[in-house]
Amino acid sequence: DAEITQSPRHKITETGRQVTLACHQTWNHNNMFWYRQDLGHGLRLIHYSYGVHDTNKGEVSDGYSVSRSNTEDLPLTLESAASSQTSVYFCASSESWPNTEAFFGQGTRLTVV
Amino acid sequence: RKEVEQDPGPFNVPEGATVAFNCTYSNSASQSFFWYRQDCRKEPKLLMSVYSSGNEDGRFTAQLNRASQYISLLIRDSKLSDSATYLCVVNLGYGGSQGNLIFGKGTKLSVKP
Repeated sequence: DAEITQSPRHKITETGRQVTLACHQTWNHNNMFWYRQDLGHGLRLIHYSYGVHDTNKGEVSDGYSVSRSNTEDLPLTLESAASSQTSVYFCASSESWPNTEAFFGQGTRLTVV
Repeated sequence: RKEVEQDPGPFNVPEGATVAFNCTYSNSASQSFFWYRQDCRKEPKLLMSVYSSGNEDGRFTAQLNRASQYISLLIRDSKLSDSATYLCVVNLGYGGSQGNLIFGKGTKLSVKP
């Protein structure tokens, strides 16, 4: 069965370190997204991609970067982790418009100490 | 004004009750609408799409009022298993953002025995 997986599921890192969260989907979807979810804010879009070599900034992109070298993967990198980036991160994928049902990974709980 | 606004709840209802959630969106050009469900510490999953004509899936009924920019979800005969957070989701569906989903903060439902 097709799926979308995130790794690691949990991570603790120190302030200032570079961290990369992995996202891999086997749906063959063109669209991939990274969200963060915090109490009081709901899901907020960090970066998104509509295809290989395409990346775009979302609502809360500062301090984050992504790259899309193939259809299956969209890794999220925190250049220099900050305590404000402690959050739960969700990766999602969807087919191209108008089939926009998004399938989410199980999430990565990141703690920056 | 937030793009998608929901009453955060919590809604505490007894089993068998009927409960309604409301959602408003700010961008009149929005193209498609959804309700997602998110269980505690889990990823969001599509519950149902929302159409102008209204649509029903078992005990769940979704309505869209484009003139008022208002979306609703009605749950009849609530079950314990309906306890979750319900996310109102909007897709702008045009320009460079046609794949992006904008999430409300969610409404928490707790169904009690």
